Amino acid sequence: GESVGLHLPTLSVQEGDNSIINCAYSNSASDYFIWYKQESGKGPQFIIDIRSNMDKRQGQRVTVLLNKTVKHLSLQIAATQPGDSAVYFCAEMRPSGNTPLVFGKGTRLSVIA
Amino acid sequence: NAGVTQTPKFRILKIGQSMTLQCTQDMNHNYMYWYRQDPGMGLKLIYYSVGAGITDKGEVPNGYNVSRSTTEDFPLRLELAAPSQTSVYFCASRFRGLSYEQYFGPGTRLTVT
Repeated sequence: GESVGLHLPTLSVQEGDNSIINCAYSNSASDYFIWYKQESGKGPQFIIDIRSNMDKRQGQRVTVLLNKTVKHLSLQIAATQPGDSAVYFCAEMRPSGNTPLVFGKGTRLSVIA
Repeated sequence: NAGVTQTPKFRILKIGQSMTLQCTQDMNHNYMYWYRQDPGMGLKLIYYSVGAGITDKGEVPNGYNVSRSTTEDFPLRLELAAPSQTSVYFCASRFRGLSYEQYFGPGTRLTVT
């Protein structure tokens, strides 16, 4: 069935390096995507979002890239810090009026000091 | 604003017992959601509401019930608890508008034994 998925379940990076977290989606009609960060024992927190009419959006130390041709989404974190250690989820909005977000399984990012 | 609040934080139920998970938001959001998150997994939508008096089933509604009598509150009812309902439950809310960002509560950790 259609799903939002992730290429890698875990990712370890050195402090100060850049991190790239990938996400594949299967519904080419999806028109909105969002990244969430979930720290241990907490609820997910919004990081950044992007609409399908864009291919790149930047925030503070984060960039989301959208490649609609291959249905791929990535989250880039610059100068990764220990506080970035968390599970990162991508989610898609499938265009159907009030259809809720569909979440992927998540990637755990571990930052090595 | 307190944002999205959930009570209780933790609960242990015996098989067959019932309980209500409370969720309240003070942001005047139209949309509210209930998710469950099993260990190492993503979020699965249980029920959602687009406004007071309106509720819809999500991906995994069996064994749960909801009501939305006010804008602020969206309680989740478990009847006849089963071990399969052991999970962390998150409530979320958002505005009806151009952004689909959902604001999450801190979660309720439920164990059914």
